[in-house]
Order: sequence, then C-alpha cells, then structure tokens
Amino acid sequence: QGPLVQSRAEVKKPGASVKVSCQISGYTFTNFDVYWVRQAIGQGLEWMGWMNPKSGNTGFAQKFQGRVTMTRNTSTMTAYMELSSLRFDDSAVYYCARGISISCGGSNCRGGWLDPWGQGTLVTV
Amino acid sequence: QSVLTQPPSVSGAPGQRVTISCTGSSSNLGAGYAVHWYQHLPGAAPKLLIFDNTNRPSGVPDRFSGSKSGSSASLAITGLQAGDEGVYYCQSYDTRLSGSWVFGGGTKLTVL
Repeated sequence: QGPLVQSRAEVKKPGASVKVSCQISGYTFTNFDVYWVRQAIGQGLEWMGWMNPKSGNTGFAQKFQGRVTMTRNTSTMTAYMELSSLRFDDSAVYYCARGISISCGGSNCRGGWLDPWGQGTLVTV
Repeated sequence: QSVLTQPPSVSGAPGQRVTISCTGSSSNLGAGYAVHWYQHLPGAAPKLLIFDNTNRPSGVPDRFSGSKSGSSASLAITGLQAGDEGVYYCQSYDTRLSGSWVFGGGTKLTVL
C-alpha cells in the first residue's frame, strides 16, 4: 500500500451519489492540498478539484461545480470526494493525489504537480 | 479538446529516442506556469516523471528529460525500453475559469 490508499470499486445507478475516500499516510495530512482527477474509459486525465485539509477550502473545475463535494476527516487523515446526480458518462477511475503549491516569482512559477497518487477507484454507473 | 495539446501517439524501436510535445497558450505555459509530466502504465496509477519543466523525482532514470520554451514543452525518452510503453501526459495550471489544473490529452507511446 502506498501513501494514498483509496476505497474500493463502486457500482451505482444513474441519479445516485458516490463517495470515494482517500486515506493518507507517510506525511502530515494538513500540509498539502488533496486533488482529485478522473479518467473515463478511453479518455485522458481530467482534473476535478482540490481541497485544503487544514482549512477545508475547496476549488472545483467548472464542469463539476454543483455536483461535487470534497471533505476531510483530520483525525483519520482521510479525504473524501462525493459526486452526485451520477450519469453514465461519470463511469471512470477516480484518483486522489497530493498537490504541491504553486509559487511565482518574476515571470515564472514553480509547483503545481501531483505526487504521489492513490491507486484509483473504479466507479461504474 | 484539451487545453494542452499533445500528439495522440508516438512510437520507436528499443534503444531509440522519442520526443513528446505539449503545446499550451498565454494562459498557462506562456504565462510562466511550469509543466509536469506523468507516465500512466496499464493498470497503474499515474506516476510523476518530470516536475517544474526539467526536474526528475528521485528514482526516475535520466533517460527521461523535459524542456520548456515559451508556450511549448517536450518530454524526451532515450534508450527506449519495452516497459516504457504507456500513455504520457503533460500538466500545468491555467488562469482561465478562476484557475484550473489542466492536462494534455495524453500521448500513447508504442515500443516497436
């Protein structure tokens, strides 16, 4: 098991919700944002949003706003992503990942990469 | 249509060198945001290969190298091996839509 361990595969009906968990170990949970990325069958990687485990602040891709919720439990060092009103095209592998903050100086910025990643959770609608 | 543009596929024989391009715009790479590269092998989670344009994480062989100039970036792989076969993604940050993390569409590498 790696530093980010996700919950098991889920099968859901259209219109239902799914909640995927991501348990963190090996680093201080509240020091890094948690990102969620998905890969639909036959498609590429798609960023869904981020959550700051310390403050609970979140930011979502416009596509998912209103349908996605990201929460955390700091005592169990677990992040959660819940997607509601599921559609057939939400069938995908969902990944959590630790994100590195972006810092800018002058005309260049550093950071913004995702590492490590969870093993992925297959959600079938 | 991905914000970052990659070729759908590249191929090369074992031992050869291949490059994968990633073209962005003035709201991401051209704005000075760094590019990062991931290797996604079948059945595995994406793995960080290159961060901040040119840097390799510990454990990534020096056969993998990255570069960036303006709104474009590229990943080079030398000494191709059968185990390199998979999909490679570039990723950066984009200032549009209140800020978002963006990926290229992915490039399938085939080792002939």
